[in-house]
Amino acid sequence: QVQLVQSGAEVKKPGASVKVSCKASGYTFTGYYMHWVRQAPGQGLEWMGIINPGGGTTTYAQKFQGRVTMTRDTSTSTAYMELSSLRSEDTAVYYCANDYYYDSSGYSSLRHWGQGTLVTVSS
Amino acid sequence: AIQLTQSPSSLSASVGDRVTITCRASQGFSNALAWYQQKPGKAPKLLIYDASSLENGVPSRFSGSGSGTDFTLTISSLQPEDFGTYYCQQFNSYPLTFGGGTKVEIK
Repeated sequence: QVQLVQSGAEVKKPGASVKVSCKASGYTFTGYYMHWVRQAPGQGLEWMGIINPGGGTTTYAQKFQGRVTMTRDTSTSTAYMELSSLRSEDTAVYYCANDYYYDSSGYSSLRHWGQGTLVTVSS
Repeated sequence: AIQLTQSPSSLSASVGDRVTITCRASQGFSNALAWYQQKPGKAPKLLIYDASSLENGVPSRFSGSGSGTDFTLTISSLQPEDFGTYYCQQFNSYPLTFGGGTKVEIK
């Protein structure tokens, strides 16, 4: 069965960076685009961007341009999301989720989700 | 960016009630819409994809409809386990966007 297992909770100081991992299993990692979505405490869902695990190409939401980097390691079927210059407003649960359809270029519903990684930014 | 407005923002209904949640888009598109259910402390769960297709394993009391700018999620007979927050999401264009959510409580 498909599983997306994310790394554990992080506590960071303002100005630092955080890198969250998402290890995929149970399907062809390179065939399904991977999205990153975050949710601040008590708030709704916010799409951050997407990576094509096959070619490594990325598209980021404008809000995060310049601060977010999404990468992948096909040898371990793992996707990564790094967010830099952290501020208190970045405190949130970060989720990875994959596309519904094979090679749908990210224009898809999000079928399988990781369990979420809580990132707390505090001095 | 396409904005999605959900209504109502919250509702309280009894077991067996028919519940309807609406998602209105700032610009029209065909069927590039999904619905999710999220329970406290859990990741969202896909219920409906492509506006009206029921995800595997999701009870048939859930259904989706609509196209253009108006989409609807219907729960035909509300069950105790259906509490949570429901979100719509469009994937017609980047950036993908979500509605603000509808919190469903059981009376």
